[in-house]
Amino acid sequence: EPEVTQTPSHQVTQMGQEVILRCVPISNHLYFYWYRQILGQKVEFLVSFYNNEISEKSEIFDDQFSVERPDGSNFTLKIRSTKLEDSAMYFCASSGNSGRVFAGELFFGEGSRLTVL
Amino acid sequence: QKEVEQNSGPLSVPEGAIASLNCTYSDRVSQSFFWYRQYSGKSPELIMSIYSNGDKEDGRFTAQLNKASQYVSLLIRDSQPSDSATYLCAPDAYSGAGSYQLTFGKGTKLSVIP
Repeated sequence: EPEVTQTPSHQVTQMGQEVILRCVPISNHLYFYWYRQILGQKVEFLVSFYNNEISEKSEIFDDQFSVERPDGSNFTLKIRSTKLEDSAMYFCASSGNSGRVFAGELFFGEGSRLTVL
Repeated sequence: QKEVEQNSGPLSVPEGAIASLNCTYSDRVSQSFFWYRQYSGKSPELIMSIYSNGDKEDGRFTAQLNKASQYVSLLIRDSQPSDSATYLCAPDAYSGAGSYQLTFGKGTKLSVIP
């Protein structure tokens, strides 16, 4: 069964360092997302991406964050200068092929746990 | 600010019983509603979607939607220990730019006791 894959599964970094989290969405999906979940808290929307551009972003997604789809398969989240409060699980998700999967039905990857020291 | 309210639980039910999970939402524009299950340390997994008022059944799961009351619920019949997880309610918000943004509630933690 097709799945969303994320790398790395866990990354430890020093405050102020740049981090890139990578995702390979399901191949025929059209919409891509990043969500994050701080330990013990709710899943929070960061950004959505469609047709090679950002569709919507939350107030969490400030200038230190950026997303890119550098080729036909990868979807990346870059955090330019990490802060302690960026420590969280980051989930990539995709949705919405042109068939029976409704765009609002998200398929999540297993997540990348980011620890900022 | 879109708000999604769920009873955080934990909700404990004996094996074989019906578990009832409730959710209210503030955004009247929401048209589609989703229930996700999240096992501890894992990613959310879609289990039900509902788009119109009334009931929708899928196996042991029934979703109920009342848009006038801004209320959506999930019933799990014949609860099993493997149903023990956190259940996330997620109304959508169509951005009009070709993308949907889901707003997740904090979730209700369900514990099914053998």
